[in-house]
Amino acid sequence: QQQVKQSPQSLIVQKGGISIINCAYENTAFDYFPWYQQFPGKGPALLIAIRPDVSEKKEGRFTISFNKSAKQFSLHIMDSQPGDSATYFCAAIKGSQGNLIFGKGTKLSVKP
Amino acid sequence: KAGVTQTPRYLIKTRGQQVTLSCSPISGHRSVSWYQQTPGQGLQFLFEYFSETQRNKGNFPGRFSGRQFSNSRSEMNVSTLELGDSALYLCASSLAADLETQYFGPGTRLLVL
Repeated sequence: QQQVKQSPQSLIVQKGGISIINCAYENTAFDYFPWYQQFPGKGPALLIAIRPDVSEKKEGRFTISFNKSAKQFSLHIMDSQPGDSATYFCAAIKGSQGNLIFGKGTKLSVKP
Repeated sequence: KAGVTQTPRYLIKTRGQQVTLSCSPISGHRSVSWYQQTPGQGLQFLFEYFSETQRNKGNFPGRFSGRQFSNSRSEMNVSTLELGDSALYLCASSLAADLETQYFGPGTRLLVL
């Protein structure tokens, strides 16, 4: 049972464009939704996160949109740059349990 | 502040052997979680330790085990290795009061031949 579904699997965007990655979750007990960025040979790094009582959170070029009723959330990368090329993972966690549930990941390529 | 460190970074073993991986969390972090990353299954939770106690366990066979020491350093062990155990094993640490924010190490790449 896949508790967090992520799409698309891969994404190619031109430099300066907007990258959009979508996730859907099933368990309404989740109360924290982070996004991680992973470069080849590195561990995942926390990028941005949101709680379900907030509909949007923005940090620089990265924005999370959250739709609690639809149980969906998405990552928007504005003005995408070649340096953003990486694999992005959405995740969900019930804070008291300490185990992140990850989506399958999206490999983003930003073309110059 | 130093990040999460994992040793060794790369490991090659043969089927049937056992392996021990090590993780040193960020200073002051008392919770350590382990994840397995494979191309097919993605990132999957193995177990979480806090104050030398396993508090949470994922859906992996008993061949996968771990422990945590009094200084919060953690080890995971895989016995009777199978080809399917080839993966990147990631350790993440977090503050006791903030389990949600987990900081990952670079991982140990295990290849089972």
